[in-house]
Amino acid sequence: KQEVTQIPAALSVPEGENLVLNCSFTDSAIYNLQWFRQDPGKGLTSLLLIQSSQREQTSGRLNASLDKSSGRSTLYIAASQPGDSATYLCAVRRASNTGKLIFGQGTTLQVKP
Amino acid sequence: DAGVIQSPRHEVTEMGQEVTLRCKPISGHDYLFWYRQTMMRGLELLIYFNNNVPIDDSGMPEDRFSAKMPNASFSTLKIQPSEPRDSAVYFCASSFAASSYNEQFFGPGTRLTVL
Repeated sequence: KQEVTQIPAALSVPEGENLVLNCSFTDSAIYNLQWFRQDPGKGLTSLLLIQSSQREQTSGRLNASLDKSSGRSTLYIAASQPGDSATYLCAVRRASNTGKLIFGQGTTLQVKP
Repeated sequence: DAGVIQSPRHEVTEMGQEVTLRCKPISGHDYLFWYRQTMMRGLELLIYFNNNVPIDDSGMPEDRFSAKMPNASFSTLKIQPSEPRDSAVYFCASSFAASSYNEQFFGPGTRLTVL
């Protein structure tokens, strides 16, 4: 059974810091991995999606990496801003013929001005 | 496109009442997903449809929950009778299988409170 874990559960950093959020999964047989952002009281916004054959994806100040063999993904946020404060969730998809995503519990990030 | 649309955004009801949540997926998307989010259990997939057909309902907690997708542009999640432990945020998401990444796009959610 696939389990997804995110560490730390919460993180508080001063503005301008570079930071790394971690996601680990128990079954390396995944189709892709997706990082989401969730603001309080809101839905999920997709940030980055990495296919199983890819090593990383970049969007602006965000960079997500994937190491399937070790069951790990990281989300790197450069030059953090107060507007980055939110909960970040990672989710893995097991196979191409299923849409089912397994989510981690999320990391709640606070960036202090 | 307006994105995934859910209604109502908030629902407060009393135990034993029937609750119906509604979702309109993004036009052209062929997958639709219903999730539930609670503090204790996080985000859980309840059921998903492909081309209006239920594919996996193993996440539906019990017979009080049912979901339908009568056409490509509308789905409902019904709870009858509702119980206080059903209080949660319910999300609907949709995706397009033939796209390069098959990303799931989420609606704003329905916050359900059962008293």
